[in-house]
Amino acid sequence: EIVLTQSPATLSLSPGERATLSCRTSQSVSNYLVWYQQKPGQAPRLLIYDTFNRATGIPARFSGSGSGTDFTLTISSLDPEDFAVYYCQQRSSWPITFGQGTRLENK
Amino acid sequence: EVHLLESGGGLVQPGGSLRLSCVASEFSFSNYVMNWVRQAPGKGLEWVSGIDIHGSTWYADSMKGRFAISRDNSKNTLYLQINSLRAADTALYFCATIAPRPSDSGYGMDVWGQGTTVTVSS
Repeated sequence: EIVLTQSPATLSLSPGERATLSCRTSQSVSNYLVWYQQKPGQAPRLLIYDTFNRATGIPARFSGSGSGTDFTLTISSLDPEDFAVYYCQQRSSWPITFGQGTRLENK
Repeated sequence: EVHLLESGGGLVQPGGSLRLSCVASEFSFSNYVMNWVRQAPGKGLEWVSGIDIHGSTWYADSMKGRFAISRDNSKNTLYLQINSLRAADTALYFCATIAPRPSDSGYGMDVWGQGTTVTVSS
């Protein structure tokens, strides 16, 4: 199975700052890489699919980039509601796999 | 509104079995690839299993053998049978429409339920 490694494990930033989250895959996943946001007590919400496509209703401050084995989620200017846990996931091949998550916390 | 509702969780003794259910409403369930994802308390998301529209199934490497996914399109229902339950299976189990390919229904528009909790303890 494809292993996804996210970094950093925790990111401490303030509202208005730029956040950069990384996801590395153990083998190429083409562009079949998605990002989720999860807040406490809630189901995950799809943010980005196909590496860079925003899901319906996702604000433009969220953007995805990358290819092959290295991917990035960028939040251009943090809103207070953005502090949450973020997961990457590959859908290139079965079994689908998730990264271990990055916790974005309010400094 | 598209909706998924899981049920069947509960407190089970080690070695026991459970069958989780996920009922779908307001979308063409039979046309969707369906999945189970779990989350242990305080931990990350772990994909468990998926089933496509033809009934082909896939499992996480660590789930093979004790887990069985199935679907009943006539009842708009997804199932997950878990046998020989262990403490490590304690988690919130979500069902979700995770479509792997652009040709799959719902691609780029995941729908998740709110989950059902499984607790394995004596």
